[in-house]
Amino acid sequence: KNQVEQSPQSLIILEGKNCTLQCNYTVSPFSNLRWYKQDTGRGPVSLTIMTFSENTKSNGRYTATLDADTKQSSLHITASQLSDSASYICVVSLNNNAGNMLTFGGGTRLMVKP
Amino acid sequence: DGGITQSPKYLFRKEGQNVTLSCEQNLNHDAMYWYRQDPGQGLRLIYYSQIVNDFQKGDIAEGYSVSREKKESFPLTVTSAQKNPTAFYLCASSAWDRVDEKLFFGSGTQLSVL
Repeated sequence: KNQVEQSPQSLIILEGKNCTLQCNYTVSPFSNLRWYKQDTGRGPVSLTIMTFSENTKSNGRYTATLDADTKQSSLHITASQLSDSASYICVVSLNNNAGNMLTFGGGTRLMVKP
Repeated sequence: DGGITQSPKYLFRKEGQNVTLSCEQNLNHDAMYWYRQDPGQGLRLIYYSQIVNDFQKGDIAEGYSVSREKKESFPLTVTSAQKNPTAFYLCASSAWDRVDEKLFFGSGTQLSVL
């Protein structure tokens, strides 16, 4: 069964600190891995998309890494800000890349405190 | 101002009642999707449509119905057959960017049972 597991489920950090969120998946055949940010009561917004051949991709203070051999990804947030408080969702795409072939993780809820 | 608009933001359903969630997009996207989000769980696909007048069941279609009479609109009806409808419902549309399908989400509708 294709699964995406994220850890931790929730995380509290102080403003200005760094943090790393983890994503493990069993989806096969794998095409790409996406990280989304979802503010409370809003729809998810794309942060990064990585194919199996990419090891790292950055979007401002967000850096995603991918190890396709161990089927693990991480999202690193540098110098956190209060606006980073949100849920971060890891999404893995099957080989046909279509939106109906996505497996979503349960998300990590991040709270950044002043 | 392009985007995906979901309405209403909050919706309450009585026992035995059908309710319809609206999703409109002006992005000229062919494909549209409905997902259900429960706390701590990954998004699950209800229905999707890749072209006007055609739609397919997702993983949890029972108790739901859709129509796609116009490219811009993909309404979701939660029928009385759906016994546990309380959830956050997300509509998405997609466009292909070289090799990846990029999903754009609406702001969601929170449905609760009275």
